[in-house]
Amino acid sequence: GQQVMQIPQYQHVQEGEDFTTYCNSSTTLSNIQWYKQRPGGHPVFLIQLVKSGEVKKQKRLTFQFGEAKKNSSLHITATQTTDVGTYFCAGPGDSSYKLIFGSGTRLLVRP
Amino acid sequence: DVKVTQSSRYLVKRTGEKVFLECVQDMDHENMFWYRQDPGLGLRLIYFSYDVKMKEKGDIPEGYSVSREKKERFSLILESASTNQTSMYLCATRPPWRPQHFGDGTRLSIL
Repeated sequence: GQQVMQIPQYQHVQEGEDFTTYCNSSTTLSNIQWYKQRPGGHPVFLIQLVKSGEVKKQKRLTFQFGEAKKNSSLHITATQTTDVGTYFCAGPGDSSYKLIFGSGTRLLVRP
Repeated sequence: DVKVTQSSRYLVKRTGEKVFLECVQDMDHENMFWYRQDPGLGLRLIYFSYDVKMKEKGDIPEGYSVSREKKERFSLILESASTNQTSMYLCATRPPWRPQHFGDGTRLSIL
């Protein structure tokens, strides 16, 4: 079945360092969404990418959608302690209702 | 803002008990979802519903059932709880082709 894989599973960085998480799908995606889950919280939608090769920025966060629309990345420049949490990518499943989530990357930031 | 309310943040039950997890949304969305979240496994879809009394199995429906008698309420039922169902359970709602909105989650422990 369709799979969405995400690496790394964990990343522990010093505050100020950069961070990247990668998402790969076994099938071509019509779009990809990114969510952030703070410790003790629930996933919150960050952004959706739709176009091949699309790049979007939200302050220190840069999101990319691959040319083949099978992979995506989230890059955080100069991490801060407020970036701590788990980042999930998600792509459409085999029906219009479903989202397939990656396993998430947990980011820890040392102050 | 979309509000998704789960009836309990924490719940402790015993093996063999019938357990009900309740979820209510205030946005009149057709689609509602139940996920479980386990470390390293991300979010796995248990069941979803695209209309009142309509339901479909997700990726891990075994040991669970659901009920959608009213549009705003989607219940997850553990018919006979087992220890391997100890997990975080997240309810979500999603308009077609839009991001998902999650509840705060229920951390369920089965003893």
